[in-house]
Amino acid sequence: DAGVIQSPRHEVTEMGQEVTLRCKPISGHDYLFWYRQTMMRGLELLIYFNNNVPIDDSGMPEDRFSAKMPNASFSTLKIQPSEPRDSAVYFCASSFRGHHEQYFGPGTRLTVT
Amino acid sequence: AQKVTQAQTEISVVEKEDVTLDCVYETRDTTYYLFWYKQPPSGELVFLIRRNSFDEQNEISGRYSWNFQKSTSSFNFTITASQVVDSAVYFCALSEAQGAQKLVFGQGTRLTINP
Repeated sequence: DAGVIQSPRHEVTEMGQEVTLRCKPISGHDYLFWYRQTMMRGLELLIYFNNNVPIDDSGMPEDRFSAKMPNASFSTLKIQPSEPRDSAVYFCASSFRGHHEQYFGPGTRLTVT
Repeated sequence: AQKVTQAQTEISVVEKEDVTLDCVYETRDTTYYLFWYKQPPSGELVFLIRRNSFDEQNEISGRYSWNFQKSTSSFNFTITASQVVDSAVYFCALSEAQGAQKLVFGQGTRLTINP
C-alpha cells in the first residue's frame, strides 16, 4: 500500500509569494495532521482533521497559514504571504482512529528567501 | 499539560555497543499511548512502536527493546549491538488514549554510530 504522499518535496520561493503544500493520506485513514519541524522548535503540530473536518488549528502560527481538506484523499497547507521564518520541513501524517500511531509523509522542505 | 523530555541531545557510540535512549513523560491522563519514531538522515519519520499505558510489559523486536516503567514515567529505548544504519534522530512521543489523537513529541536524541 502507498504511504502518505506529499508534494512538492522541495520548494524554494521568495518572500511574499504564496506557497501551497499538498498531502494525500493513506487510504482509509480518517485523521490527517500537519506538522512543522525546525531546529529551534522541533516538531510542532499545526492543525489536524478528522473525517475532513478541522478539529484543532491552535498550532497554526498566524493568519498567513490556512489548511483545507476538501475530501478524504487530499489536503493542502497554504502560506500567503510567505516569510523567511516560515522556512522549515512540513510533514503531513495520517492515522486511523483506534490505532493512534501516525504515519508520516516524506516532508516538504520549504525555503523562503 | 502533556510533556515529553529526552534529556540526551546527542549520543555517539562505536558500532556493536549497546545504547539506551531515555524518555521521560508527564501527563495527567490515566490512559495514554507512548511512541518511538526514527528520523534517519534522509529525513522521513518512521514509526517504531506504540505502547499502551496499561501494558507495562517490555517489548523486544530484533535488536530493539523498550522498557516502560509507569512508576518513573519513563519509556526507554535500547539498541543492542548497534550498527551504522541505526544512526538517526529518535523521537519519543505521547498521546491521549481518549479523544484527540495529537502527538506531543520530545526534542529528539541524535544517535551516531561510528564504525
